[in-house]
Parts: sequence; structure tokens; C-alpha cells
Amino acid sequence: DAGVTQSPTHLIKTRGQQVTLRCSPKSGHDTVSWYQQALGQGPQFIFQYYEEEERQRGNFPDRFSGHQFPNYSSELNVNALLLGDSALYLCAQARVNTEAFFGQGTRLTVV
Amino acid sequence: AQSVTQLGSHVSVSEGALVLLRCNYSSSVPPYLFWYVQYPNQGLQLLLKYTSAATLVKGINGFEAEFKKSETSFHLTKPSAHMSDAAEYFCAVTSGSGGYQKVTFGIGTKLQVIP
Repeated sequence: DAGVTQSPTHLIKTRGQQVTLRCSPKSGHDTVSWYQQALGQGPQFIFQYYEEEERQRGNFPDRFSGHQFPNYSSELNVNALLLGDSALYLCAQARVNTEAFFGQGTRLTVV
Repeated sequence: AQSVTQLGSHVSVSEGALVLLRCNYSSSVPPYLFWYVQYPNQGLQLLLKYTSAATLVKGINGFEAEFKKSETSFHLTKPSAHMSDAAEYFCAVTSGSGGYQKVTFGIGTKLQVIP
């Protein structure tokens, strides 16, 4: 039973660029959430997808968008990157009302 | 609204000593509570969870936590610290019904184990 896989593991982008991060599901887990973890902070909730629709959203601007595919995999897109977007981005998947399983994260550095 | 407060961003213990990491929560409905551990450059691994069953919850690696509603607390303990326990620990809360709700994390407590 494969765990949650995120790609890429590290990424360097220039301010103003756009980035797409990917998350592949743990078998049978249909809800995906994305979190941003800045250095020295706890993870901050970005949004959650279930049945290919955004169900909840945290306090993040519209530059952050996502998508969930029929096979439950997911993408996080960030437009017009800012230096402050540098962080570890974590994908978490779960069945409804169970604990979340986290991927290893994508370390994004904006220069 | 739900929130979690972790008291102490850094905790140091000697190897073999008791580990106590404090967490207080705020939730308008009965909560689900979690402790996660994060090793450097890794994702988060679930240590244990409280989901309204037994108030004393046992997790992996010898950790346990006790849910105390009267104190709105969910402190994490381990009787004897091991060097491999050095990591960052996050308390988290989710609440609600009808689906998986967002998880709100504390700021984390970095545990240092001194040989």
C-alpha cells in the first residue's frame, strides 16, 4: 500500500513565476488537503478537495489554486510567486473522518 | 472556530527522563485531537489520535496522551526519552461532522534529547 507521494521534492523559482506541485494518493483515500509550512511554523491549511471540488479554504489569496483528478491525485498551483511563498508544501490525504496521511512535502524556494 | 496552543516551542530533556509536551485546544464542538511528529526535511507522521473513545490514548514509539475535557488539554507524554525522539511535535485539532474537516495545527514543540 503506497503512501502519499509528492513531486518534486525541491524546487527553486523566481519571483513572479508560476509553480505546480503534485500529490499522488494513498490507496483509497479520497480527500486531499494542502498545507503551507513556513520555516519554524506549524502547517497552515490552504484548501481541501473532495470529489474533485474545493470544499474548504484557508486564509490564502486566489493566487493559490488547486485541482483534484478522478484518481484522487491533486495539484497545487501558485501564481505570481512572492518571496514569502517560500515554504514546505505538504499534501495530506484521508478518508472522510479519519486521520490524515502526509507526503514528504515539496520544498519551494522563491528567489 | 478551533485552535491549538502548544506551550513551549523548545523542550529539552535528558535521555531516560520523562517527556511532557503540552497542548491545549479550543473547539466549539467535540474535537478530534492528534499528535504528529516531524523529523528534519520530512512530512508529518501520526503519533496518536483521540476520537471520543478512551480518554487515554496510546500511540507509536511509547508515546501516549490523555484527553481532559475539563482542562481542554491533550498533553503528550513518554516515560523515558530516547535519542531518536528528538524531533518537532505538532498538536492538531479537527472538529465537525459530515466529512473530513480541516486540521488546525499548533506552532510545534521542538524536542531536544540530551545524552
